[in-house]
Amino acid sequence: DTEVTQTPKHLVMGMTNKKSLKCEQHMGHRAMYWYKQKAKKPPELMFVYSYEKLSINESVPSRFSPECPNSSLLNLHLHALQPEDSALYLCASSRLGGSSGNTIYFGEGSWLTVV
Amino acid sequence: GNSVTQMEGPVTLSEEAFLTINCTYTATGYPSLFWYVQYPGEGLQLLLKATKADDKGSNKGFEATYRKETTSFHLEKGSVQVSDSAVYFCALSDRGDSNYQLIWGAGTKLIIKP
Repeated sequence: DTEVTQTPKHLVMGMTNKKSLKCEQHMGHRAMYWYKQKAKKPPELMFVYSYEKLSINESVPSRFSPECPNSSLLNLHLHALQPEDSALYLCASSRLGGSSGNTIYFGEGSWLTVV
Repeated sequence: GNSVTQMEGPVTLSEEAFLTINCTYTATGYPSLFWYVQYPGEGLQLLLKATKADDKGSNKGFEATYRKETTSFHLEKGSVQVSDSAVYFCALSDRGDSNYQLIWGAGTKLIIKP
């Protein structure tokens, strides 16, 4: 079972709104990721959590705020976004260490439109 | 630094044709190599992977062999179907600290015509 579940699948928000994207995995993975993907380009890494602690922030604007409440859940809080933030947001997870530790599994993504 | 180069797309083929999508990489150490597929309107799915030289990954009729001597990981399929139309990404793992990060190719759009 290699399932990462993301909600909502589609989100339309205004530039003054506050919304959240949610991600859940039950594979026992201890690394979780947020990626942003624009129009058929490769995904861009935003954040990495290892053992529920933020380990990588790829210079993402503060209007994106990640949260990892526990080892299975990952949220991305959105506030005061710009239209150029419209994209597909992908959550992913992986093991840490071990022979198969470097396979990253992705969810179906949340399509975000900022109006 | 590490990098991945994929052939430019789109690649357009007729159904039942033979498929090759080229992927070459530069890396220090011994990375793992991956092919991910993204069907229209969907997220990324792991298609296959190889973790060491001469390993062959395979899934759904697709194959790719980790060639260290040519630093390549070309994706092949003997007979493509319309349902294989998608964007294919080659990637390598780049271990940073205790996490695994992916270095991506630009992606190749595959169009299969009936």
